[in-house]
Amino acid sequence: GQNIDQPTEMTATEGAIVQINCTYQTSGFNGLFWYQQHAGEAPTFLSYNVLDGLEEKGRFSSFLSRSKGYSYLLLKELQMKDSASYLCAVFNDYKLSFGAGTTVTVRA
Amino acid sequence: NAGVTQTPKFRILKIGQSMTLQCTQDMNHNYMYWYRQDPGMGLKLIYYSVGAGITDKGEVPNGYNVSRSTTEDFPLRLELAAPSQTSVYFCASTRPGDETSGANVLTFGAGSRLTVL
Repeated sequence: GQNIDQPTEMTATEGAIVQINCTYQTSGFNGLFWYQQHAGEAPTFLSYNVLDGLEEKGRFSSFLSRSKGYSYLLLKELQMKDSASYLCAVFNDYKLSFGAGTTVTVRA
Repeated sequence: NAGVTQTPKFRILKIGQSMTLQCTQDMNHNYMYWYRQDPGMGLKLIYYSVGAGITDKGEVPNGYNVSRSTTEDFPLRLELAAPSQTSVYFCASTRPGDETSGANVLTFGAGSRLTVL
């Protein structure tokens, strides 16, 4: 089975940094994804970790520790447009399983 | 390049009615998926397919059927609509392979919002 946990909500101020944690217990593992989803829209791809360590893409970074079943998404220099839901997902056996998502609200 | 196209975008059904959600992709992706997303929740996998003629159940397949007669199309059928099937449905596709080439990254359609009354 798949168990993917992440916080429900987070609030931060414009220009700040926010870290969204994700822990997973899955029957297999071929990679960990982070998706961004604005209200009423489809999810869009942010990052993909297969090996342990940090992947940096502009203002967004994602970290993976396979031995701990742990990942985080780091959002730097927050902007109002970053207000969205962030979905942690594990890819295994042809399928992508999602956590419930973390709603991030950016305040001015 | 249209990507993943879903129709219809919105639909209201009465209990017991049937309908098909259409999904087509023009990226020659082998893998295709149907997810549903209830308000405030993550995505739950309904069915998936790794190629034409091959389909398999996901987490929540009850009340749904799929077919994959071509690489491009992956329709989702609701036979007897129930209020519990009120949700937003997303179709997605990807290609397998080495992650460094962008493989395994799911591309999503815009979604189909279904209400069953």
